[in-house]
Amino acid sequence: ELKVEQNPLFLSMQEGKNYTIYCNYSTTSDRLYWYRQDPGKSLESLFVLLSNGAVKQEGRLMASLDTKARLSTLHITAAVHDLSATYFCAVCYNNDMRFGAGTRLTVKP
Amino acid sequence: EAGVAQSPRYKIIEKRQSVAFWCNPISGHATLYWYQQILGQGPKLLIQFQNNGVVDDSQLPKDRFSAERLKGVDSTLKIQPAKLEDSAVYLCASSYTGATEAFFGQGTRLTVV
Repeated sequence: ELKVEQNPLFLSMQEGKNYTIYCNYSTTSDRLYWYRQDPGKSLESLFVLLSNGAVKQEGRLMASLDTKARLSTLHITAAVHDLSATYFCAVCYNNDMRFGAGTRLTVKP
Repeated sequence: EAGVAQSPRYKIIEKRQSVAFWCNPISGHATLYWYQQILGQGPKLLIQFQNNGVVDDSQLPKDRFSAERLKGVDSTLKIQPAKLEDSAVYLCASSYTGATEAFFGQGTRLTVV
């Protein structure tokens, strides 16, 4: 059974700092997604990573995928308050999409 | 492009009652998902449709949950009878195929009292 693990589950960081969120998964997959969820809202797609070594960047967020290590990272550069949200990775396996537990990020002034 | 539409947005019912949720996916999307998201957790897949056929319902509690997608467009998810532990947000998502990016609706927040 596919298992998706994220860490950390909770992250409090100061504005201007850098940090990385990790997503490990248990079964071979070549498609991984990162979503953002604000409190009380639905999920917003951030990145779709489709191949080993894929790297995508949008603003202060950069996502990468290593399919051999079964690991994806979401790197936050010079965090700002607007990035406060919960971030989920989701792994595609047999056309199913399974989610991690999420990382609740709080960016403090 | 219109997004995934869900209704109702909120529902409060007593345990042992029945409830139904409705989802209208993005036009042209063949794949439709229903997820259950309990507070503080990641979404859990309940059922996946490809057009009007079920691809995966391995995590659907079939003794009380049912879902259908007639004509391969709109879908309904029903719970009968509801239990307290069914309190959650029910998210519908759609994609062109099971291998492409999924887009989520706003969700239905269910409270069972």
